[in-house]
Amino acid sequence: GAVVSQHPSWVICKSGTSVKIECRSLDFQATTMFWYRQFPKQSLMLMATSNEGSKATYEQGVEKDKFLINHASLTLSTLTVTSAHPEDSSFYICSARDTLHRGKYSPLHFGNGTRLTVT
Amino acid sequence: DQQVKQNSPSLSVQEGRISILNCDYTNSMFDYFLWYKKYPAKGPTFLISISSIKDKNEDGRFTVFLNKSAKHLSLHIVPSQPGDSAVYFCAASARYGGSQGNLIFGKGTKLSVKP
Repeated sequence: GAVVSQHPSWVICKSGTSVKIECRSLDFQATTMFWYRQFPKQSLMLMATSNEGSKATYEQGVEKDKFLINHASLTLSTLTVTSAHPEDSSFYICSARDTLHRGKYSPLHFGNGTRLTVT
Repeated sequence: DQQVKQNSPSLSVQEGRISILNCDYTNSMFDYFLWYKKYPAKGPTFLISISSIKDKNEDGRFTVFLNKSAKHLSLHIVPSQPGDSAVYFCAASARYGGSQGNLIFGKGTKLSVKP
């Protein structure tokens, strides 16, 4: 089955530093990847849609200058949390859909997430 | 406004019995519904889906039922096993509206299957 690899699985950083999270589709190509964020006991909230070779589309309320997204290839998207603050501490999860499945009923495949703690 | 609602934050079931997880939605444009299973500190794993043209989809021990008129879907697990203990997320998608097929998730229901 389709595998999405996310790295790192957890990271602790100091306030004011930047953190990069990688999301790779291992056995399929993904023109579109999605970045979600989950707070404790809350649902997964879509932050942005990452499009290969073009700018990401951000959801309302998500600062594009703070959460930089780069989707340079069909198998890799990165999310960089810039100038991180304690309130950015959360669980970040990426997902992707197999490009070959162009039908609407192709499920998203998720990475294992990244637990970010900003001290 | 929450478009996908899972009103039961938790459910406890005895091993071998049926687990029924419920989900309600408000957006009539949703035409594709999925259930994901999630373990702590892991990403969600796709479990089963159903399109709006169907009212039932079955895969092994898992069956999803869709009632469009009530905007309600449910996931049945029978028989339940201890390994099914996880958080189950209901998700919905609309083909149109520029959403690019992204999913709207409920808050999840934590299922505990007791031996």
